[in-house]
Parts: sequence; C-alpha cells; structure tokens
Amino acid sequence: EAGVAQSPRYKIIEKRQSVAFWCNPISGHATLYWYQQILGQGPKLLIQFQNNGVVDDSQLPKDRFSAERLKGVDSTLKIQPAKLEDSAVYLCASSLIAARDKRYEQYFGPGTRLTVT
Amino acid sequence: DAKTTQPPSMDCAEGRAANLPCNHSTISGNEYVYWYRQIHSQGPQYIIHGLKNNETNEMASLIITEDRKSSTLILPHATLRDTAVYYCIVRVAGSARQLTFGSGTQLTVLP
Repeated sequence: EAGVAQSPRYKIIEKRQSVAFWCNPISGHATLYWYQQILGQGPKLLIQFQNNGVVDDSQLPKDRFSAERLKGVDSTLKIQPAKLEDSAVYLCASSLIAARDKRYEQYFGPGTRLTVT
Repeated sequence: DAKTTQPPSMDCAEGRAANLPCNHSTISGNEYVYWYRQIHSQGPQYIIHGLKNNETNEMASLIITEDRKSSTLILPHATLRDTAVYYCIVRVAGSARQLTFGSGTQLTVLP
C-alpha cells in the first residue's frame, strides 16, 4: 500500500516569510498527526486530527502555526511568519481509529526539512 | 504517559544481537511499551509493542521485566541497515493518542 506522502521534502526560507507543508495520509486512516522534530531531539506533536476535527492542538504555537484538514483527507500545515527556531523537520503521520490488533501503529511520512535563515 | 530513560548511544557488531534497554519505572497498569526506530532522513517506523508478556515479530523481540519497570528490545542479528535511533515509548493502548518521543538511543552497527 502507498505510504504517507509529504511535500516539499526541503524548504529554505528567510525569517518572517510564510511556508506551507502538505500531507496525504494512507487511504482510510482517519487520524492524522503533525510532529516537529528539531535536530538531535525526538519528534514532538504539534496537532492531531480525527477526520477533519482537531483532537489535540495544545502544543501548536497558534500565533504563527495553523493547520487544516479539509474533507478529512489531506492536510496542510502553515507557518506565518517563520522564526529561526522553526528550523526543523516536520513529520506527518496517520493511523486507523480502530484497529483489530489494537496497536494503533502510526505510519510516518519522510518529512519536510525546513531551514529558516 | 510515563517517562522513559534510554542510553544515548550504543554500538553493535554486525551479525551479533543488539540489546537496547529502556527504563520506565512509573509505568501504569494500562500502559504499553512501544518501540519505534528512525533511520537517518526517514520518518519513525513501528517495530513492536507489548504489555507484560514477551513479544516477538519478524523485526525484533521485546522482553519486559516482571515488574514492568524496564524492557529490552532485541535485534537478534543486527545488520548495517539497523543503524538508527531507537525510541522506547510508553502509551495507553486502545487509543490513537499521540506518541511522546524522548531522545532515544542511537544504535550504530559496525561492520
């Protein structure tokens, strides 16, 4: 089966510019996650969707970050305006709501590496 | 979710077993131990999970101590492609909650 798709793979912008990342989850996966991974650290959740509703956005810096998942499939994460500390890899993941084996495995995309100069 | 502690790095000779430890002394009765790994420039990948019994799949084995305060991930015959950061995560099963990643263990398999 096709995996989680993300684009672009790399992006370089100047501070105060805006940027958007796109994610297409695995078909049939109702739950979608955006994680931020700063160099040398583990991924940190930014926002979690179930279908097109937000389940958890408590760690999303809402003054500059926004995300949407229209129609409950693809999702877009936006940063406006970007700061130097936003340089990181942005990972999208998806999972089933209910799994017969109950493991709720998350499938990750390759990520988008953002560099803010 | 309970906090986990892992060594920052480990080396292993190719073809030998890699044993990656994890401490989770505050784990609750309804929390499972999950292992994910992240190969350089890729997203994390699920390896295995368990509650209290030892588990084995095609990738690895998971040994959980009887008191559940620690566990060990075993890669029986490590290859160069197993070089990655390995994350031990404790999470309540039966839900699609977020994964809370620590810093993980950088495993380097040496030729």
